[in-house]
Amino acid sequence: EAGVAQSPRYKIIEKRQSVAFWCNPISGHATLYWYQQILGQGPKLLIQFQNNGVVDDSQLPKDRFSAERLKGVDSTLKIQPAKLEDSAVYLCASSFGLAGNYNEQFFGPGTRLTVL
Amino acid sequence: GQQVMQIPQYQHVQEGEDFTTYCNSSTTLSNIQWYKQRPGGHPVFLIQLVKSGEVKKQKRLTFQFGEAKKNSSLHITATQTTDVGTYFCAGPMTSGTYKYIFGTGTRLKVLA
Repeated sequence: EAGVAQSPRYKIIEKRQSVAFWCNPISGHATLYWYQQILGQGPKLLIQFQNNGVVDDSQLPKDRFSAERLKGVDSTLKIQPAKLEDSAVYLCASSFGLAGNYNEQFFGPGTRLTVL
Repeated sequence: GQQVMQIPQYQHVQEGEDFTTYCNSSTTLSNIQWYKQRPGGHPVFLIQLVKSGEVKKQKRLTFQFGEAKKNSSLHITATQTTDVGTYFCAGPMTSGTYKYIFGTGTRLKVLA
């Protein structure tokens, strides 16, 4: 079974530039999560999709971050414009279950973003 | 808002020693998950606990969910170098939507 795919793996940009991350979840997984993990901290949920609808985006800085999950499969996360404090690893995860069901999360390898 | 704290933040043990990390939530959890993240890697699911007082074992790992469902622990017996990594607990921010908040993590180093 293929795992969660993410690209790119690494990205270096200057502050105020834009960047986009892509995630392909495990086939058949209804729920997709984007997390931000700053070095030395636990993953912080940014947004959670169930199929192609948003379940929660309360911690997404909406003035600069946006995410979409077209057709309920792939997802993209965009930052525009980037700030120095956005330097982190962006993790995508997916789970088979819908909200309220057993929902083990499978994580992708992450994208390491450095903002200079 | 809901917080999930873990102690200790770091733990160094000699290979063969036991290790325990504790997870404490500011609110009652409907369930709790544990993940392991190797250095440079991504979190990998270990287990989910649902019932009050539940205890589950996976070889040398023992997981416990508190009676009040506000705390949990992970105990590793006779640590090995392969146990190195950061252990996170994760609990739902609010019941119903099941958005998970991750704990602060415990970084384990095992000295051979």
